[in-house]
This record gives sequence, C-alpha cells and structure tokens, in this order.
Amino acid sequence: GQNIDQPTEMTATEGAIVQINCTYQTSGFNGLFWYQQHAGEAPTFLSYNVLDGLEEKGRFSSFLSRSKGYSYLLLKELQMKDSASYLCAVRDGLYNFNKFYFGSGTKLNVKP
Amino acid sequence: EPEVTQTPSHQVTQMGQEVILRCVPISNHLYFYWYRQILGQKVEFLVSFYNNEISEKSEIFDDQFSVERPDGSNFTLKIRSTKLEDSAMYFCASSEARRTGGTYNEQFFGPGTRLTVL
Repeated sequence: GQNIDQPTEMTATEGAIVQINCTYQTSGFNGLFWYQQHAGEAPTFLSYNVLDGLEEKGRFSSFLSRSKGYSYLLLKELQMKDSASYLCAVRDGLYNFNKFYFGSGTKLNVKP
Repeated sequence: EPEVTQTPSHQVTQMGQEVILRCVPISNHLYFYWYRQILGQKVEFLVSFYNNEISEKSEIFDDQFSVERPDGSNFTLKIRSTKLEDSAMYFCASSEARRTGGTYNEQFFGPGTRLTVL
C-alpha cells in the first residue's frame, strides 16, 4: 500500500528555521511535492523534487533522498503568515499518467 | 493572473441525489485533476484527465463518479447517487503541458466546492 508520514503539528518562533520531515513508501515514484494549505483554502504548490538533493526557492528549500524514502521542507526566517498546514505528496506515474498520494499534513504554528 | 475557478462554492444535496461540480481550468492547461478533502483529513486524489480521457484514477473513484470535458473550458465531476460519506471539499486542479511531452509539475488548485450530503 501507499504510506506517507509527516508529523501532525509543529510550533516554531517568528524569524527561526523549521524543518518538516516526510517519509514515504509507495509502489511507484515520480516526484515528491510540497504544498502549503491555509485553513479553509486550497493547497498551493511550493516545491518539487525528483532527484536526490536540495532544491532552494527563496525562504523555502526541499530535500529528497530516494534511497531512504525521505524528504524535508525547510522554512527559513519564519513569518506569522507561514502558519499553515504543509502537505507532502508523492506522484506515482510517468508523463501523462499522474496519480498522487498525500500525507495528512503538518500543521505549523508560528508564534511571535 | 489566470486562476482555476469552481462553482458552486457550496452545494447541499440529499442522499441519493446526483450532483455535478464544475471547474474552469486555466485556459492553456491540458491536464486536469479532481481531489477531495474530508473535513480535518488529508487531501485524496480522485482522478487525472488528459486528452479527453481519464489517465489515472484512485480506488475512491468508483462507478458513482464520472468526469467530463463538455466544452473547451469546463471540466466537471459528477456523483450519480450521493452518500453521506461523499461530504467533503472537492478541489479541481490543472497543470500545463510541456512541449516535449508530459506536464509541468506545478498544479494550480481552484478554491474548492464544499459538498454537504444530508
């Protein structure tokens, strides 16, 4: 079966750095995605990794290790508006074929 | 900035009734998706659609569900006979096609339709 695990909730301080981990076990793998979802809103795309290593995008970075089935999202210089749920998702499929499995999300609370 | 739109924002229906949820993807996108999210739970993939046919579907997407691209702009999800457990937020998403094949990775989500089955 497909299994994607993330911590349920984390708390961090404004201006700090936080790392949100995700481990996955899926039958196929064609990329790992991170999304941000504010309460009551739709997910918004943050990052994508398909090869091992770190992808940096402004204050956000995402890391992937395919051999370990592990990824993390790193958020730097935390701001209050970063309080949201962060969703890890794995794509199973190639090219035209897209099937996605989501973790339950990590709720990040940023405190002053 | 182009965005995915969904109507209605909230739909209330009686158990056993048919509902159609509507989405207008971003105009130059060719890959379309439906997801659902039961309140307080994770986002669940339902179906992906490309070139006027389903490319992948999940175990949730049984015979009660169907999708259609009835014209050049709309993408619909139909639930034939709704059950109480179909109550959820339904998100439509779209992504752009690469010239070399496949799709870009960024999916753009619509604001969702909250479906309540009584």
